[in-house]
Amino acid sequence: EVQLVQSGAEVKKPGESLKISCKAYGFSFTGYWIGWVRQMPGRGLEWMGIIHPDDSETRYSPSFRGQVTFSADKSTNTAYLQWSSLKASDSAIYYCARRFRGATAPWYDPWGQGTLVTVSS
Amino acid sequence: QSVLTQPPSVSGAPGQRVTISCTGSGSNIGAGYDVHWYQQLPGTAPKLLIYNNNDRPSGVPGRFSGSKSGTSASLAITGLQAEDEADYYCQSYDRSLSAGVFGGGTKVTVL
Repeated sequence: EVQLVQSGAEVKKPGESLKISCKAYGFSFTGYWIGWVRQMPGRGLEWMGIIHPDDSETRYSPSFRGQVTFSADKSTNTAYLQWSSLKASDSAIYYCARRFRGATAPWYDPWGQGTLVTVSS
Repeated sequence: QSVLTQPPSVSGAPGQRVTISCTGSGSNIGAGYDVHWYQQLPGTAPKLLIYNNNDRPSGVPGRFSGSKSGTSASLAITGLQAEDEADYYCQSYDRSLSAGVFGGGTKVTVL
């Protein structure tokens, strides 16, 4: 079965670092870009960017560039999203999703179950 | 403020038809980029509902359909059912941002 399984919920303090994961099953991990999407509490979806696990090429949304780092380990079929210094405003659910390259605009399917990140002092 | 604009909410009685609009601009939908739609049931991850404006993935009921014209797109739900109560998001690409973009989401309520 094609699926993305994300790591569990995290509770951190401001200033701490964090790395969450997204493990791929049932498809060629190096054959697709993986996208990351943020959903703040009670809010909509925000596109953060994408990573290609084969060569770790990354593309970041202007809103997230410099704020987070994407990485991938093709030996374990796992993509990662990390922060070096968390802020309270980073509290959100983070989703990973497999990217399909459309004729014009890519779409995302399937999605991971999401990782809830809570940053509070 | 989302790049793509959706109404915050729409509602309808069971069996009725509802539509959700998604309005963009000349740097995204109007530039010819396709639109995709996702359904997010309460407390769950988004799920692909429509891709390439009007194609349905396997398993998505035929009562869901999409269309695109000019700088806008629409999602229609015909024969509304209680299980369709969810948030719906449109998504495309913006060439000015060089980034994927989402609409702000529309909550569908079944009366």
